[in-house]
Amino acid sequence: SQTIHQWPATLVQPVGSPLSLECTVEGTSNPNLYWYRQAAGRGLQLLFYSVGIGQISSEVPQNLSASRPQDRQFILSSKKLLLSDSGFYLCAWSRSSTWGNTIYFGEGSWLTVV
Amino acid sequence: DAKTTQPPSMDCAEGRAANLPCNHSTISGNEYVYWYRQIHSQGPQYIIHGLKNNETNEMASLIITEDRKSSTLILPHATLRDTAVYYCIVRVTGGGNKLTFGTGTQLKVEL
Repeated sequence: SQTIHQWPATLVQPVGSPLSLECTVEGTSNPNLYWYRQAAGRGLQLLFYSVGIGQISSEVPQNLSASRPQDRQFILSSKKLLLSDSGFYLCAWSRSSTWGNTIYFGEGSWLTVV
Repeated sequence: DAKTTQPPSMDCAEGRAANLPCNHSTISGNEYVYWYRQIHSQGPQYIIHGLKNNETNEMASLIITEDRKSSTLILPHATLRDTAVYYCIVRVTGGGNKLTFGTGTQLKVEL
């Protein structure tokens, strides 16, 4: 069976510090990968998605970046965090075909920028 | 992208059926309807999806109208653990298989 792991689960970072959230998927190959963010009291916002190694699409301009160094690894980064980067970050995956494939989410990472 | 409209909140008595409506009047012929739920502070959980036929699994049933402009998620015997935000989502075509979440319906199951 397939599993998705993301870490760390929670972190508190000062403004201006770097960020790295990691996500790995097990039990499948060539998945589509996603990073979502949920600000407090808000809906989920798609930040990035990737259909293959080194292929990253950004949905919104922001202070964050994503990378996919390996097939089943997806990393969310920032060089200098802003207060507005606080939120709940979710990694997700789906099988790589166009139609009808379910997206499965990890347990999320709570980021508080202080 | 087809947009969805859901009531912001609903209440349901434990043991009764919870019927959560969703309007998606601009849905295209090849777009699926997906339902997820999110329990507080957890990642969204997949519930069910469908194209035009009604669907049922161990968690819920999905009823899609014949014109596909609306659907209803049915939790047949709601429990306290079903308290969550329920999202109805119409699938974006192409572009890496994305889902776009709206604000959902907060379902509160009470004794």
